[in-house]
Amino acid sequence: GAVVSQHPSWVICKSGTSVKIECRSLDFQATTMFWYRQFPKQSLMLMATSNEGSKATYEQGVEKDKFLINHASLTLSTLTVTSAHPEDSSFYICSARGYHRGYGAVDIQYFGAGTRLSVL
Amino acid sequence: AQKVTQAQTEISVVEKEDVTLDCVYETRDTTYYLFWYKQPPSGELVFLIRRNSFDEQNEISGRYSWNFQKSTSSFNFTITASQVVDSAVYFCALSEAMGGGTSYGKLTFGQGTILTVHP
Repeated sequence: GAVVSQHPSWVICKSGTSVKIECRSLDFQATTMFWYRQFPKQSLMLMATSNEGSKATYEQGVEKDKFLINHASLTLSTLTVTSAHPEDSSFYICSARGYHRGYGAVDIQYFGAGTRLSVL
Repeated sequence: AQKVTQAQTEISVVEKEDVTLDCVYETRDTTYYLFWYKQPPSGELVFLIRRNSFDEQNEISGRYSWNFQKSTSSFNFTITASQVVDSAVYFCALSEAMGGGTSYGKLTFGQGTILTVHP
């Protein structure tokens, strides 16, 4: 079963509004969480890395004021797309890194099922 | 800089055929980690394997096998007797080793290979 829960799976919003996406690690504590963006038929582009209780580290070219990340606990991270515009429409994927008993004593990056954002 | 190349954009096979997905990487790091993930139509990437550069042994897990060739910087993935449920996008990823080789950093993904298995 899933070890990372991402919600919502699909959201449509009007231009100028903000959208919050939640990412939760299930049954394990994530040392680090990641947010990716994936364009159709393309690879995953890392947007930012976050650790619980500290500010996220953003990749070059990613606007931190546009994509707000809050890592409130070892099991929850949120990504807020502020004042969304049509060019922000994309598939956003979160990832949680840690040790899950289902995979033994291996430090693995687990992924959520993604959120498809459509900005009208 | 790190780079992962999956030259096969799309592969189409008929069920029960064997199929190999290629992955070639570039890195200046002497120690690193390699990964394979499967992304089915549902969207969630599923972890398949993690391999440390120290370990060049090939691995087999059921119908899946991986061939790590450090000399050619390749980490190819073979599915034996493919099934329709294997249809997905497969990503190869690379990361530098950290913590004296016991941990890894950010993942650099390849472009992915779309595998379609027809009944």
